[in-house]
Amino acid sequence: ETGVTQTPRHLVMGMTNKKSLKCEQHLGHNAMYWYKQSAKKPLELMFVYSLEERVENNSVPSRFSPECPNSSHLFLHLHTLQPEDSALYLCASSQTGHGYTFGSGTRLTVV
Amino acid sequence: AQSVTQLDSQVPVFEEAPVELRCNYSSSVSVYLFWYVQYPNQGLQLLLKYLSGSTLVKGINGFEAEFNKSQTSFHLRKPSVHISDTAEYFCAVRSGTASKLTFGTGTRLQVTL
Repeated sequence: ETGVTQTPRHLVMGMTNKKSLKCEQHLGHNAMYWYKQSAKKPLELMFVYSLEERVENNSVPSRFSPECPNSSHLFLHLHTLQPEDSALYLCASSQTGHGYTFGSGTRLTVV
Repeated sequence: AQSVTQLDSQVPVFEEAPVELRCNYSSSVSVYLFWYVQYPNQGLQLLLKYLSGSTLVKGINGFEAEFNKSQTSFHLRKPSVHISDTAEYFCAVRSGTASKLTFGTGTRLQVTL
């Protein structure tokens, strides 16, 4: 247990489904991140939230919609995904000036 | 702008042999450096970090790294590896007051008998 909890661990969804990934941290960190990790590709930073405000969106398609209702929770809402969106989605949190603490990830498969 | 280069995508090594995983960075300001390890189907776990002070940093699982400012490197070493060290290793850099980490592409360490 790292202090950052991601649910579900595995998710299989059809291209017309709507689902959400959840991330929760109780480390008192003030920033949270979503990363995408695909096979044989570098880690891709998707979104950054600092003090509950989105401060970075790295040209992510609109079928991915983040939500940060408070400093401890981060969601990634998914709809009409494509097979190429299948990947490991990692959530991380940090306190300014320190490294990240990662969750165990959600393995997403789009069929 | 900050960037990280991990020159080796894969490093095969026999058990009990020493290993070095290379990491070079570029940044125009002061840097903070990190190594993470990722086991199969897991998230990234912090191995060690350099923020300031001694350039030789010791981490978990017997790993250590040395910050070399003149060579802009932060290589990871272990004197004797174990089968359980088989994993993906990521180097990361954060510059100045920025909160964002920039990750390298990772090095796959494969330990065999």
